[in-house]
Amino acid sequence: DAGVIQSPRHEVTEMGQEVTLRCKPISGHNSLFWYRQTMMRGLELLIYFNNNVPIDDSGMPEDRFSAKMPNASFSTLKIQPSEPRDSAVYFCASSFNRGRNNEQFFGPGTRLTVL
Amino acid sequence: AQSVSQHNHHVILSEAASLELGCNYSYGGTVNLFWYVQYPGQHLQLLLKYFSGDPLVKGIKGFEAEFIKSKFSFNLRKPSVQWSDTAEYFCAVTPSGGYQKVTFGIGTKLQVIP
Repeated sequence: DAGVIQSPRHEVTEMGQEVTLRCKPISGHNSLFWYRQTMMRGLELLIYFNNNVPIDDSGMPEDRFSAKMPNASFSTLKIQPSEPRDSAVYFCASSFNRGRNNEQFFGPGTRLTVL
Repeated sequence: AQSVSQHNHHVILSEAASLELGCNYSYGGTVNLFWYVQYPGQHLQLLLKYFSGDPLVKGIKGFEAEFIKSKFSFNLRKPSVQWSDTAEYFCAVTPSGGYQKVTFGIGTKLQVIP
């Protein structure tokens, strides 16, 4: 298995531009998570999908952030418009929710820099 | 809601020294506990996990952790660290079953000096 795949690995953009981050979870996993990691705040959960449905989006910072999961093998996190304070590493993780066995597998992350 | 505290934010050790990283959580019910490691420039990888059974859990690369329910703790240990253990270590907790929101600690940066 290729693991969780994220693209792009690095993104540099200017303030005000739209940014789209992509994630392909591990095949067969039914839960997907988007995290943001910064030096100041550590690892924060942004949104959680179960069976393609957003279950908990309480961590999404504001309306500029949106996430979709149109099918079981693809998710996007969009920032529009982007701001310098959005600069961070964004991780996608997936797991198979089957009761107590809920280990999450992380992707390599997207390092976003907003100038 | 659950929370996780990692007491040591930055630890510096010499090679062959013993390691113990503290982790305490708060949650009233049954939990699953994890330690993840993030090597420089890489993504998080699972080091070990506790779901039930023996409270002493052995993970990869000689790491182990002990779940002490009465203390709400899940400390990570390694008897002899190597330079290659230089990384950031995250403790995480999630309620067992159902919606599985995982709460991560702030992380502990470990620097091992050769």
